[in-house]
Amino acid sequence: EAGVAQSPRYKIIEKRQSVAFWCNPISGHATLYWYQQILGQGPKLLIQFQNNGVVDDSQLPKDRFSAERLKGVDSTLKIQPAKLEDSAVYLCASSLRPGTNTEAFFGQGTRLTVV
Amino acid sequence: AQSVTQLGSHVSVSEGALVLLRCNYSSSVPPYLFWYVQYPNQGLQLLLKYTTGATLVKGINGFEAEFKKSETSFHLTKPSAHMSDAAEYFCAVTLTGNQFYFGTGTSLTVIP
Repeated sequence: EAGVAQSPRYKIIEKRQSVAFWCNPISGHATLYWYQQILGQGPKLLIQFQNNGVVDDSQLPKDRFSAERLKGVDSTLKIQPAKLEDSAVYLCASSLRPGTNTEAFFGQGTRLTVV
Repeated sequence: AQSVTQLGSHVSVSEGALVLLRCNYSSSVPPYLFWYVQYPNQGLQLLLKYTTGATLVKGINGFEAEFKKSETSFHLTKPSAHMSDAAEYFCAVTLTGNQFYFGTGTSLTVIP
């Protein structure tokens, strides 16, 4: 079974530039998550999708971050414009459905450096 | 609101020694608790989880954790450390299975 695919693996941009990350979840997984993991901290949920609908985006900085999951499969996370404090690893995860009895599978992440 | 606190950002043990990684939670209602492991440049992998039922939970790679409501703890243990256990470990809590709250992580070093 293929895992969660993310690209790119690494990205370096200057502040005020824009950047986009892509995630392809495990086939058949209805739930998709984007997490931000700042160095030295645990992952923080940015947004959760159920199919192509948003379940929770309460911690997404909507003035600069946006995410979409068209057709309920792949997802993109965009930052525009980027700030220095956005430097982090962005993790995508997917699960069959939300709930505590379903495991969330994580991708390898995209490491973003904003200079 | 729920949260977890991981005591000790860095833990070092000798190969073959007991591994003990501490996690305490804060929740107004019984939570669901998880331990994840993260190897360098990798995503998170589920080690084990507690939802309901037996309070001693066994996971992969010989790890186990015990849910202690009276102590609000969910410490992770392994009787004998192996070099391949060196990684970052995260405790997480959720009430609903949607919003997960992760601890700040514990980096485990195994000394040969």
